Order: sequence, then structure tokens, then C-alpha cells
Amino acid sequence: DAKTTQPNSMESNEEEPVHLPCNHSTISGTDYIHWYRQLPSQGPEYVIHGLTSNVNNRMASLAIAEDRKSSTLILHRATLRDAAVYYCILKGDQFYFGTGTSLTVIP
Amino acid sequence: GAGVSQSPRYKVTKRGQDVALRCDPISGHVSLYWYRQALGQGPEFLTYFNYEAQQDKSGLPNDRFSAERPEGSISTLTIQRTEQRDSAMYRCASSQRVPSGRTNTQYFGPGTRLTVL
Repeated sequence: DAKTTQPNSMESNEEEPVHLPCNHSTISGTDYIHWYRQLPSQGPEYVIHGLTSNVNNRMASLAIAEDRKSSTLILHRATLRDAAVYYCILKGDQFYFGTGTSLTVIP
Repeated sequence: GAGVSQSPRYKVTKRGQDVALRCDPISGHVSLYWYRQALGQGPEFLTYFNYEAQQDKSGLPNDRFSAERPEGSISTLTIQRTEQRDSAMYRCASSQRVPSGRTNTQYFGPGTRLTVL
């Protein structure tokens, strides 16, 4: 399975936008890009996914580069409840989570 | 509706004992996944099922680990002759459709914290 690269950690001020980057230079044409997040002491939860076009849902937006070798998860207004580890995953037969980005939200 | 449930939530066992971890997926979900998660790490894939068929067990660390889903619903992950290095959070997830290269959202259970003394 193709792998992803994310920064280990990021910080954001509360109520400001957050852009979480992910590089996936070996992505194949049929791989969907998934984002999950894991709040402290909980299991991972789905955030958003996309293939080629930018996507929006109630939780976040996903911006996908034209060559699909990178993507960015956008939280429009970070809240303290958004503090979590965010995983960027390419969908194959299994999910490879990696170590994700630990987001700290500063009040 | 009810989410994915796992039992027990906590399991403490002595080295050399066998343990069985149970996962009850969301009703009607076709696919079921097992992961292991060490502290500070992301979930590590172990194995997955479509219905009762085990599709991929490449992530199972060794032959002490096995999993079954005999009726296509509840699954059991069994670890024989446990070792201290098996201590971790074991998570189960289920999804609605067979993974086919397209998207299938996985819903995770609360996990079973296994401690091997």
C-alpha cells in the first residue's frame, strides 16, 4: 500500500483555521484519500474522504492537489474538541494509519 | 443505532495464558477489521473479514494470533501463549460494504486494553 507523510505535530489557536498537510507521492489512480481522527482515549473516527475533487462536509474540507500527490485537511474554526491525532490514509485493501499529526488547540 | 462493541474492555493476563477478544460489529456490516495500537502509535492492521471469510491476515504478527468470524457477524481474536510484548490496545472496526478499492468508512469500537504480566 502507498504510504503517507504527515508532520508529527501542529498547533492552532482556538477559532482559527487549521491546515493539516499530507504527502502521498506514490498514490495510485484508484486510491481514495481518507482522513480519520482519534481523540484522546477513543477509537479513530471518520472525518472526510475524496478522490480527485475538493470535498466539504460538516466537519471539515479536503483540498486535493491536482496531481493528487498531496492533500490538506482544513478545519475552518478549530475548537478545543478538535484536539486529536489526525491520520491521512490511502485506501487499499487495508488502512495504513502511520503516526498521524497530533493537533494541539490553544485556547 | 448501536455502534461497534468490544469485550472485555480491559484484560489482564499472565504470560503464557491464552486470551480471546470479542468484537460485535454494527448490524449488517459486511467487513470487519482488527487492529493493534501501541501507545503513541497509530492503529496497526492485523486482519480483516468480508462476511465470514478472512480476506487478509498479513498483519498478524505470528502464528500465536488467529481470528475467526464463523457466522459473518461477531468476531474473535485469539492470542495463544501470550507474551508481554502483546500488551496493547486491540481495536475492531466494521464497514458497510466490501472494500473494493472504493471508499468504505470504518467505524471503530472502544477497544480492548490487553496487559500481559
